[in-house]
Amino acid sequence: TQLLEQSPQFLSIQEGENLTVYCNSSSVFSSLQWYRQEPGEGPVLLVTVVTGGEVKKLKRLTFQFGDARKDSSLHITAAQPGDTGLYLCARQTGANNLFFGTGTRLTVIP
Amino acid sequence: DAGVIQSPRHEVTEMGQEVTLRCKPISGHDYLFWYRQTMMRGLELLIYFNNNVPIDDSGMPEDRFSAKMPNASFSTLKIQPSEPRDSAVYFCASSKGALALFGPGTRLTVL
Repeated sequence: TQLLEQSPQFLSIQEGENLTVYCNSSSVFSSLQWYRQEPGEGPVLLVTVVTGGEVKKLKRLTFQFGDARKDSSLHITAAQPGDTGLYLCARQTGANNLFFGTGTRLTVIP
Repeated sequence: DAGVIQSPRHEVTEMGQEVTLRCKPISGHDYLFWYRQTMMRGLELLIYFNNNVPIDDSGMPEDRFSAKMPNASFSTLKIQPSEPRDSAVYFCASSKGALALFGPGTRLTVL
């Protein structure tokens, strides 16, 4: 199956703390995308990782693609209330359609 | 560009009624996707189109669901008859290349 498991499912932290969320699969994928979804809105693309071992940074967010291209992580430094949302990883299957992970719902408490 | 436009944003209906959700993709995008999101099942792909042609509808849960794309700027997702278990947020997304942009979604409640 194409199951993409994300952990933790829920995460509640204080403003200023660091956190890491994970996306794991038993299958190798050619690329992986991370999205953030805020309440009442659709998912918004944050980053695409393609190369095994790749690390990309987006301000306080650091994305890493595992060497074997089966897993990925998202690390947030000094979390802020504006980081609150649902974080989704997704892989492309076939021609451009996306298969989404189960999601991590992050709450950053001021 | 205003982005992907969906209407209505909220729909409340009674079981057995027909529901039609609408989507206007971003101009120039050649792929259009319909997703459904629930707490239990997350985001699921229902169907997608390429150049207005349905490519894969294997995610459509039942014959009660149908989708059309009569032209490059409009698509509909219809549920007839609707059931309470269809309650979810339905997203439309369009893409050209690897970048998919999502609409704001339609929150459907079937009583």
